[in-house]
Amino acid sequence: KAGVTQTPRYLIKTRGQQVTLSCSPISGHRSVSWYQQTPGQGLQFLFEYFSETQRNKGNFPGRFSGRQFSNSRSEMNVSTLELGDSALYLCASSLSSGQSYNEQFFGPGTRLTVL
Amino acid sequence: KQEVTQIPAALSVPEGENLVLNCSFTDSAIYNLQWFRQDPGKGLTSLLLIQSSQREQTSGRLNASLDKSSGRSTLYIAASQPGDSATYLCAVNDYGNNRLAFGKGNQVVVIP
Repeated sequence: KAGVTQTPRYLIKTRGQQVTLSCSPISGHRSVSWYQQTPGQGLQFLFEYFSETQRNKGNFPGRFSGRQFSNSRSEMNVSTLELGDSALYLCASSLSSGQSYNEQFFGPGTRLTVL
Repeated sequence: KQEVTQIPAALSVPEGENLVLNCSFTDSAIYNLQWFRQDPGKGLTSLLLIQSSQREQTSGRLNASLDKSSGRSTLYIAASQPGDSATYLCAVNDYGNNRLAFGKGNQVVVIP
């Protein structure tokens, strides 16, 4: 069974640009979450999608957005990039549904560098 | 707001010693707790998941305990090996939402 995949693995952008990251969950998983990891702040929750609907949202500005498709694949978009957006972006998938929260499995991440 | 703490931030142990990693959280109303391993520049590998109703979980040389009332979890790694060198992260999933709150991790070096 294939794990969580993320593309691209590395990205270099300049300030002001926008970027789209992609995540394909484990087959059968309908919940996809996104996290940002930086040396200073550690891992922080961005948002979670379930059945194409955003179910939870963290404390990030509106420049960070996402969506989920009918096949559960998810994309995350960051507009007007800032230097502080440089981070490892991790996607996680789980079987979680309704009030049942299951084990989360993470992808390898996308390393975003903003110059 | 749930806060998760892992102390110490870094530790070194000689090969063969047992590792004990601690995690504390402020809100005991959790759904489950998960321990992860992260190698430099890589994603997270799930090690153990403990449901709030459980006291411990075991997988091979790994054992994790949970004391929900005191807001603590401990990860034990028996007979450590150099391949166990990594950062270990504790994360709690609160009731009412499916979002993990992470500690900053314990960076472990096992010395051959």
